[in-house]
Amino acid sequence: AQTVTQSQPEMSVQEAETVTLSCTYDTSESDYYLFWYKQPPSRQMILVIRQEAYKQQNATENRFSVNFQKAAKSFSLKISDSQLGDAAMYFCAYQDSNYQLIWGAGTKLIIKP
Amino acid sequence: DAMVIQNPRYQVTQFGKPVTLSCSQTLNHNVMYWYQQKSSQAPKLLFHYYDKDFNNEADTPDNFQSRRPNTSFCFLDIRSPGLGDAAMYLCATSRVSSYNEQFFGPGTRLTVL
Repeated sequence: AQTVTQSQPEMSVQEAETVTLSCTYDTSESDYYLFWYKQPPSRQMILVIRQEAYKQQNATENRFSVNFQKAAKSFSLKISDSQLGDAAMYFCAYQDSNYQLIWGAGTKLIIKP
Repeated sequence: DAMVIQNPRYQVTQFGKPVTLSCSQTLNHNVMYWYQQKSSQAPKLLFHYYDKDFNNEADTPDNFQSRRPNTSFCFLDIRSPGLGDAAMYLCATSRVSSYNEQFFGPGTRLTVL
């Protein structure tokens, strides 16, 4: 069965600096999707970024980018120029063959002003 | 704006008193999900509908039921809430393509007294 591991329960970063959130997963599939979702306090979960496993190029969305290492089964999220609005729980998720999401435990990101 | 709406945002019920949470969507997505999320944890999938086809997760308690009368609406019924059912309940929708980006509502926070 697929699993997703986020080893950092909490991370903090100074405003305007860069932070990387870690995610590893386990699967025997060769083609799949990976996601990072953001859940701000008392606000709804939203998709931050998506990566297709067959694409070698790392996905990028403005200040958010991923470092996808397929062989290592690693999918980290880099947030550049951190802003106060980036404070949230970040969840890494793997899409299985039934289109269901397997979620990591989440990383709480704190932004220090 | 197309969106996922959940009502009520906050629900207080008494131990053992049935409660119904509702979700509606204007995205015209064919899949709707109900998740349970406890504090600072990943969402836990309870069940989902693919169109009218109901899919129950194996470990979802019998106490939880769902109805989807049409494409736009989905309900979560908790027949006899226990203290352990206090949580945030998230509704999500998706239009299954090659990837399953899920769109979430703001959630209903359930308190059981």
